[in-house]
Amino acid sequence: SAVISQKPSRDICQRGTSLTIQCQVDSQVTMMFWYRQQPGQSLTLIATANQGSEATYESGFVIDKFPISRPNLTFSTLTVSNMSPEDSSIYLCSVGGQGVNIQYFGAGTRLSVL
Amino acid sequence: DAKTTQPPSMDCAEGRAANLPCNHSTISGNEYVYWYRQIHSQGPQYIIHGLKNNETNEMASLIITEDRKSSTLILPHATLRDTAVYYCIVYPPGGGNNRKLIWGLGTSLAVNP
Repeated sequence: SAVISQKPSRDICQRGTSLTIQCQVDSQVTMMFWYRQQPGQSLTLIATANQGSEATYESGFVIDKFPISRPNLTFSTLTVSNMSPEDSSIYLCSVGGQGVNIQYFGAGTRLSVL
Repeated sequence: DAKTTQPPSMDCAEGRAANLPCNHSTISGNEYVYWYRQIHSQGPQYIIHGLKNNETNEMASLIITEDRKSSTLILPHATLRDTAVYYCIVYPPGGGNNRKLIWGLGTSLAVNP
C-alpha cells in the first residue's frame, strides 16, 4: 500500500484566484491521478500525471484551468486556476499500486469558492 | 458511463452481515471486479478484488457469480465504522492507460445500532 498526504485539507477561496494542491507519497510511483468529486457526485478523473512527461487530461478538463506538475516520483501538484463557485469540490489524488490495478487515495482537499 | 449497477442505498443492523450487490452484465473476460469504499470526508479505500473465484481478506468477502455478470460484497459483521459509500468497479489488469477507473454513484450503506 501507499500513504498519501494532501495539502491543504480544505480551503475557502475567492473567485478569480488560484489554489495549488499538493500530493506527497511515501514511496516512488510511476502514475499519479487527480480526481474531482462534486457535491453529492461520484469521482471524475481530471488527469493522469506521469513523472517526466506532460499530464494527460480527460475530456472536459484543460491544462490552462488545471495545470499539473510532477517533478519527481513522490510528488505532484494540481492548481485550480481562476476559480469560480462551480469549482467548489473535493479534489483527490491517487496513485497506482505496483503490479496490480489498486489505487490508493489521499484524504482529499475540500475547496469552497465564494 | 460506469459499467456497473448498484442500489443507491442500503441499511444494515450492527453486528449483522451486510451484503452489497453489483451488476456488471457487460463485463469482459479479462476484467476484474474491484470494490472500494468512501467514508465521509475521506478518500476512497480499496477493499477487495477478484476475477472469477470468490475472494476473502481481512475486510470482506467477494462472491462472483459463475457467469461473472454480478457480484456481492459481504461485510460479515458490520460495525458503525462501516457506514460509507461502496463502489463496485470493473476494469482490466495491466498497467499504462488501462488504469482509468470509471466510478458510478455506488451504494450508500448505513449501519444502524
